[in-house]
Amino acid sequence: DIVLTQSPVTLSVSPGERATLSCRANLSVSGYLAWYHQKPGRAPRLLIYDASNRATGIPARFSGSRSGADFTLTISSLDPEDCGVYYCQQRSDWPPLMIFGPGTKVDIK
Amino acid sequence: EVQLVESGGGSVQPGRSLRLSCAASGFTFDDHTMHWVRQVPGKGLEWVSGMTWDGSRVGYADSVKGRFTISRDNAKNSLHLQMDSLTTDDTALYYCARDKNANNFAAILSWGQGTLVTVSS
Repeated sequence: DIVLTQSPVTLSVSPGERATLSCRANLSVSGYLAWYHQKPGRAPRLLIYDASNRATGIPARFSGSRSGADFTLTISSLDPEDCGVYYCQQRSDWPPLMIFGPGTKVDIK
Repeated sequence: EVQLVESGGGSVQPGRSLRLSCAASGFTFDDHTMHWVRQVPGKGLEWVSGMTWDGSRVGYADSVKGRFTISRDNAKNSLHLQMDSLTTDDTALYYCARDKNANNFAAILSWGQGTLVTVSS
């Protein structure tokens, strides 16, 4: 079974600084990884799909990359609106299912 | 505007059943795989089940397999989740969600606001 590990658990970043979030799979996985941002009391929002493609309307400060089973979400210049929890998500074609990582909480310093 | 409106949540005793529904509008429903994702308040996201546009691919999380059944009615733009043999571990906010793809599970483009299910004696 695919298990996703996200690190760090919590990240405190000052506005304007760079934030780097990691998602690692325990198995060899495809590049079909997505990133979501969730603010308290709100539904999640898709940021990145297929590891590096920004979803519609997502600012260019968000970028995704992959190196083998390691995936990275980078926020180049943190905006206070970027606080919240970030989840990565992988998919399996067979059996068909989705897997979410446990999340990284981003706080604004 | 894309809208996903869940209904059917509520309080139920362990062992009982509940049926969730999701009314979709603002997009071509049968152009998308649909999912149910749940979240215990204050905790992470857990994918529950998904179904491709034509029902050819259906998946369930191990935690609900054999107890939950997903279905969709493309003529009525609706998604359903029949939840049987509920346990306290099923207590969560249940989101209806739209995938970016039609023929497989990819990434979730849109989410409803969720319907709360509470299983308690």
